[in-house]
Amino acid sequence: QQQVKQSPQSLIVQKGGISIINCAYENTAFDYFPWYQQFPGKGPALLIAIRPDVSEKKEGRFTISFNKSAKQFSLHIMDSQPGDSATYFCASNSGAGSYQLTFGKGTKLSVIP
Amino acid sequence: DVKVTQSSRYLVKRTGEKVFLECVQDMDHENMFWYRQDPGLGLRLIYFSYDVKMKEKGDIPEGYSVSREKKERFSLILESASTNQTSMYLCASGTANSPLHFGNGTRLTVT
Repeated sequence: QQQVKQSPQSLIVQKGGISIINCAYENTAFDYFPWYQQFPGKGPALLIAIRPDVSEKKEGRFTISFNKSAKQFSLHIMDSQPGDSATYFCASNSGAGSYQLTFGKGTKLSVIP
Repeated sequence: DVKVTQSSRYLVKRTGEKVFLECVQDMDHENMFWYRQDPGLGLRLIYFSYDVKMKEKGDIPEGYSVSREKKERFSLILESASTNQTSMYLCASGTANSPLHFGNGTRLTVT
């Protein structure tokens, strides 16, 4: 069973700070790495995604950094806001053309005023 | 906007009952998925389907089955519910070129 290892399990950040969540994957055949955001009572929703042909992708305050040689990728949330408080999941597919995702165990982020 | 609708937000069932969880999507997606979500374990794939009447086992299919008679509808079946199947169940749909879209989940309690 392919795995995606996510850390930390929980994270507390002050408003305005940087939140960083890390993930590691096993297989260099994986070629799609999304991050999902989940608020209480809701299903996960796609936040941002990257493919291994680039090392970084930025959308607003959210950035994915990707290190292919280390098989790691991370989510950075700049200027974190209380509204960013949610659970974040990293995921990966299992190779080119695969639409089946394996998820990390999640990180509960709390941004305090 | 893509809408994935799960028929129940909360369900309470007794041990041994047969349970049906229903999911409908409105975007004509080929692929549909059932995950369960448990604290500290993340999302784990139970079953998925890439076409009508087709199904594939995910990582934790034991104790579950699925049905996909129409493209827009994917049902998860617990043949004989057990307490260890108490969980949040999430349905998702997508295509090969689109991200997964999730429903808001069904919280199932088996007593």
